[in-house]
Amino acid sequence: QKEVEQDPGPLSVPEGAIVSLNCTYSNSAFQYFMWYRQYSRKGPELLMYTYSSGNKEDGRFTAQVDKSSKYISLFIRDSQPSDSATYLCAMSPSSGYSTLTFGKGTMLLVSP
Amino acid sequence: EPEVTQTPSHQVTQMGQEVILRCVPISNHLYFYWYRQILGQKVEFLVSFYNNEISEKSEIFDDQFSVERPDGSNFTLKIRSTKLEDSAMYFCASVRTSYEQYFGPGTRLTVT
Repeated sequence: QKEVEQDPGPLSVPEGAIVSLNCTYSNSAFQYFMWYRQYSRKGPELLMYTYSSGNKEDGRFTAQVDKSSKYISLFIRDSQPSDSATYLCAMSPSSGYSTLTFGKGTMLLVSP
Repeated sequence: EPEVTQTPSHQVTQMGQEVILRCVPISNHLYFYWYRQILGQKVEFLVSFYNNEISEKSEIFDDQFSVERPDGSNFTLKIRSTKLEDSAMYFCASVRTSYEQYFGPGTRLTVT
């Protein structure tokens, strides 16, 4: 079983839609969960991070972690064409300077 | 806003040649990483570096790879004898806290 699984997409939605992006993981040691946005041929850009279970909101973005199900989500409200990118989930086991384990990324396409 | 920079943006080299990829992390960050992303694949951890020494390395980071912080600003990744399978995007990341890893734009390495 792969450590972090993410549907590669593409996920195509119309402008204004609510988008749900998800990752599952197998390693129960993961405690910190991040979402990165990556535009084509660019570096990953940190969007949000959460610790342990719960929700975190930042503008149009909401990150949700369910550790009991080993499932994390990123919701984007009122999606815009500029949100079109690949979204990577990443996670690490501790608060020390741990390496990140990434999902493969989901490509999101928001059409005007 | 401070950002991680990487040079060159694209490097083409012949198999067996040595390459050096350069990164300038965000100043006052103390922990640095190299990751790579083969086209269509996950971002993979290579090595982390703290206090002028390797903190952790993956199985990918074999004897052909080395890292160095030659001065107070640059952070380099050297591949001694490149192979075709080293073709990838290489990302440097600079860390303020354990989960806020800031990535550079990447160097696209093409080995022919």
